[in-house]
Amino acid sequence: KQEVTQIPAALSVPEGENLVLNCSFTDSAIYNLQWFRQDPGKGLTSLLLIQSSQREQTSGRLNASLDKSSGRSTLYIAASQPGDSATYLCAVATGTASKLTFGTGTRLQVTL
Amino acid sequence: EPEVTQTPSHQVTQMGQEVILRCVPISNHLYFYWYRQILGQKVEFLVSFYNNEISEKSEIFDDQFSVERPDGSNFTLKIRSTKLEDSAMYFCASSRSLSSYNSPLHFGNGTRLTVT
Repeated sequence: KQEVTQIPAALSVPEGENLVLNCSFTDSAIYNLQWFRQDPGKGLTSLLLIQSSQREQTSGRLNASLDKSSGRSTLYIAASQPGDSATYLCAVATGTASKLTFGTGTRLQVTL
Repeated sequence: EPEVTQTPSHQVTQMGQEVILRCVPISNHLYFYWYRQILGQKVEFLVSFYNNEISEKSEIFDDQFSVERPDGSNFTLKIRSTKLEDSAMYFCASSRSLSSYNSPLHFGNGTRLTVT
């Protein structure tokens, strides 16, 4: 059974810092991996999707990498801003692409 | 930008009652999903739906749950006889295809279901 773990559970950084969020998964036979952002009381916003054959994806200040063989992904946020404060969720599709297994998330706070 | 909309945003119901949670997926999407998140826990997959039938379901999605696409725009989740442990945030999602490179899942803002 796929298990997804995210470290750290919470993180507080001053504005402008670069930071890395970590995600690990137990079953490397994944279809894809997605990073989401969740704001309090809101839904999930897809940030980046990496197919199993890819090593990384970039969108603006965000860069996600995937090392399928070691069961790890990282989300790199450059030059963090207070508006980046949210919970970041990692999710993997295993077996089929329609079923995502989520991690517990990293709650990020970027302070002024 | 098109988005997935869910109604109501908050539903309170008594144990044993039936509830229907409603979703309007993005119009050109073909795949529809329900996920839930119990307070403080992970987001969990419930069911996926394509071409008017269930593609995959989790062990959570037992006989008390059903999904329907009653017309060309709505996608509903019905819980026949709610239990206290059904209290959670329920998220609807849709995608154009099976999560290929340019087709991630788009989630709605969720319906918070409280069973008393």
